[in-house]
Amino acid sequence: EAGVAQSPRYKIIEKRQSVAFWCNPISGHATLYWYQQILGQGPKLLIQFQNNGVVDDSQLPKDRFSAERLKGVDSTLKIQPAKLEDSAVYLCASSLRDNGTPLHFGNGTRLTVT
Amino acid sequence: AQSVTQLGSHVSVSEGALVLLRCNYSSSVPPYLFWYVQYPNQGLQLLLKYTTGATLVKGINGFEAEFKKSETSFHLTKPSAHMSDAAEYFCAVSEGLGAQKLVFGQGTRLTINP
Repeated sequence: EAGVAQSPRYKIIEKRQSVAFWCNPISGHATLYWYQQILGQGPKLLIQFQNNGVVDDSQLPKDRFSAERLKGVDSTLKIQPAKLEDSAVYLCASSLRDNGTPLHFGNGTRLTVT
Repeated sequence: AQSVTQLGSHVSVSEGALVLLRCNYSSSVPPYLFWYVQYPNQGLQLLLKYTTGATLVKGINGFEAEFKKSETSFHLTKPSAHMSDAAEYFCAVSEGLGAQKLVFGQGTRLTINP
């Protein structure tokens, strides 16, 4: 089966600019997650979708970050405006259901904010 | 609240030697425990998971981990290291069925010396 697809792989922007990341989960996976992985740290959950509804966005900085999953398939994560501390790898993951089934991760988008 | 502590941000072993990566967790309910591996510029890949039942869990690539409730530990081992095992390893915890919100440790970088 095809894996989780993410684009772009790399992005460099200046602070205060905006940026968007795209994720296409594995076909049929109802649950989609966005994680932020800062260098030297483990991934931190930003937002979890079940189909096209938000299950958990408690750690999403909503003043600058937004995410959507229209039609319950693809998802986009946006940052506007970006700050230096947003430099990180943004990982998308999907799972068949939200019940302990394994997460499948994409290769991530590495964001550098200068 | 759940948390994960990985002892040692860097571990170095010789090829053929025992690999031991330490993980301790805290959770208010019986946990689900996971080990993920991340190769450079890639997403995370599930190595193994503990949900219920047998406390010794076997995973891919010859890795295994033992859940010890009394010690709140879930250490990862492999009897004989291979050069291809060099990667970053993450321990993660979630609070069981219906709660797929993973909390990751900070990671342990494993280096294999020839």
